[in-house]
Amino acid sequence: DAKTTQPNSMESNEEEPVHLPCNHSTISGTDYIHWYRQLPSQGPEYVIHGLTSNVNNRMASLAIAEDRKSSTLILHRATLRDAAVYYCILRDTDSWGKLQFGAGTQVVVTP
Amino acid sequence: DTGVSQNPRHKITKRGQNVTFRCDPISEHNRLYWYRQTLGQGPEFLTYFQNEAQLEKSRLLSDRFSAERPKGSFSTLEIQRTEQGDSAMYLCASSSPGQGSTGELFFGEGSRLTVL
Repeated sequence: DAKTTQPNSMESNEEEPVHLPCNHSTISGTDYIHWYRQLPSQGPEYVIHGLTSNVNNRMASLAIAEDRKSSTLILHRATLRDAAVYYCILRDTDSWGKLQFGAGTQVVVTP
Repeated sequence: DTGVSQNPRHKITKRGQNVTFRCDPISEHNRLYWYRQTLGQGPEFLTYFQNEAQLEKSRLLSDRFSAERPKGSFSTLEIQRTEQGDSAMYLCASSSPGQGSTGELFFGEGSRLTVL
């Protein structure tokens, strides 16, 4: 699987937007971009995924660069409950669901 | 549907003892995965089942580790002759065929193992 690069940590104020970058310069044409997050003392949970077009759901938005070599997860209004480790993961469409996690980005939200 | 359930949530054992963890996936999810997570790191893949068949095992899964899913429902992960390096959070996840094609895995809260 192709690798991703994320900052170790990011800080945000409550109710402000958070933009989490992810670089994946070796992405292949069949790789989906997935984001998961892990709250303290919990298992990871799915956030969003996309292939080429930007995606929105109730949790976040995913902006994908035109060349697909980078993407940004956007939390529109950070809350204290959004404090978590966010993982950007590439997964081939032919894969059966195995995810290769990196170290992720620790998001700190301050009131 | 109560989500993926893992038991026990915490286990403290002495080096050399055997431990077993159980995972109950979301009903009708035919795919089940085990991951291991150490402090400050992301989860690492250990093994994967489709129904009762174990289709892949990571090189991280030494001979002391064995996983089963006898009836294609719940799964067990056994660690024999535990070592201090086995101390970690053991995470189970499941997915259904439709969701599996998009990679959405549903994780349990994990079983934390401490080996003294």
